[in-house]
Amino acid sequence: AQSVTQPDIHITVSEGASLELRCNYSYGATPYLFWYVQSPGQGLQLLLKYFSGDTLVQGIKGFEAEFKRSQSSFNLRKPSVHWSDAAEYFCAVGAASGTYKYIFGTGTRLKVLA
Amino acid sequence: SAVISQKPSRDICQRGTSLTIQCQVDSQVTMMFWYRQQPGQSLTLIATANQGSEATYESGFVIDKFPISRPNLTFSTLTVSNMSPEDSSIYLCSVDSSTGELFFGEGSRLTVL
Repeated sequence: AQSVTQPDIHITVSEGASLELRCNYSYGATPYLFWYVQSPGQGLQLLLKYFSGDTLVQGIKGFEAEFKRSQSSFNLRKPSVHWSDAAEYFCAVGAASGTYKYIFGTGTRLKVLA
Repeated sequence: SAVISQKPSRDICQRGTSLTIQCQVDSQVTMMFWYRQQPGQSLTLIATANQGSEATYESGFVIDKFPISRPNLTFSTLTVSNMSPEDSSIYLCSVDSSTGELFFGEGSRLTVL
C-alpha cells in the first residue's frame, strides 16, 4: 500500500540549532517527493521537491532534503533554525507519471525555542 | 507559481445547512483539486475537478455530500452539504503546475455547530 510516514508528531528545537525532520514512504512506482510547510492559519507552501537527478535538493528558506532510495526516505534538514520556522511540515509523495494524486504524511509540528 | 484565492477564509455554520467555498486562480489550469484537513490531521483528497467534465471523487467522498462545479479554467466551487460537526475542517483548493507540484490556497476553515 502507498503511504507516507512522518514518525515525529512534534519536534522542539532551540533557535540556531540544526533540524532534521524524517519522512519515509512506501510507493510502488518511481515517486515524486515533496516537502510543504503550513504556518498557522495559512495554506501549504512548497519548500522543495525531488523528481530525479541529484539526490540532495535545495529548497527555499535554507531547507534541503536528501532522497535515499535504499531507505525509502526523504528527510528534511536545516543547519540553523530561525524562530519563524515554527510551523507544521508535511512530506508528500506522488506518482512520477504526474497524476497529481499525492499522498501526504500526517505532519510534524515544529516548535522553536528562543 | 499560481496565486489561489479562497472564499470564505473561515465560517461558522449550523448543523444541517450547506456552505459553498469558492476557489479562484490567477491563471488557467487544467486540474483543480479539493482537499480536506481535519483538525490535527493530514490532507485528504476529496476530488479532482476538470473543466467541462464531472469531478472525480476519491473513496469515501460522494457528489451528493460534496458537489463541485468547474465552470471555467480559473474557478471552482466546493459545496459541503447538510453539514454536521464532523465536517468541521479546513478545506483547501489546489492546482497543478507545469513543473509537477501542487499549489495551495490558504484554505477555508469551517466550524459546524
